[in-house]
Amino acid sequence: AQTIHQWPVAEIKAVGSPLSLGCTIKGKSSPNLYWYWQATGGTLQQLFYSITVGQVESVVQLNLSASRPKDDQFILSTEKLLLSHSGFYLCAWSLENTLYFGAGTRLSVL
Amino acid sequence: QQQVRQSPQSLTVWEGETAILNCSYEDSTFDYFPWYHQFPGESPALLIAIRPVSNKKEDGRFTIFFNKREKKFSLHIADSQPGDSATYFCAASRGQGTGSKLSFGKGAKLTVSP
Repeated sequence: AQTIHQWPVAEIKAVGSPLSLGCTIKGKSSPNLYWYWQATGGTLQQLFYSITVGQVESVVQLNLSASRPKDDQFILSTEKLLLSHSGFYLCAWSLENTLYFGAGTRLSVL
Repeated sequence: QQQVRQSPQSLTVWEGETAILNCSYEDSTFDYFPWYHQFPGESPALLIAIRPVSNKKEDGRFTIFFNKREKKFSLHIADSQPGDSATYFCAASRGQGTGSKLSFGKGAKLTVSP
């Protein structure tokens, strides 16, 4: 069975500080991986997707970047956090048309 | 541009009633319509989905009704339970294997009162 793990579970960070969020998936070779962002009470906004190692497509510009250093790993990062980056970050993988989300990382930027 | 629109934004029903959540879409090439639910503090999960080869899909108490001509689809939750209280997102995409292209609605918060 496939499992998706996100880390950390939660972060409280200062404006202007760097950020790195991680996601690993086990039990699925060459998965399509995604980063989504959700503001409190908001919709699901796709940020990035990747279909293979080293290849990442950006969907929206939010002063964030993503990388896929390994087949089973997807990293979201920024060098300088903004207040608007607060929210719930979700990593997901897809099978056919279905998205399977990780447990998410809750980020508060102060 | 919002490709998928949901209404109402929030809904409260009594336990045992049928909750109805609605969605409409613009792109007539969309051919896959899922509903996801998200419980407080948790991540979204697929609830039920339909392709327009049929106009109805049932899974237990959950039913999707699909109207291709009007570009609308709805989720009916029969015999609503307090445990159904969650935020429900409709979505749409086209083609096979297009998890990357799902367009989500803004979500509808359902509260089921005992």
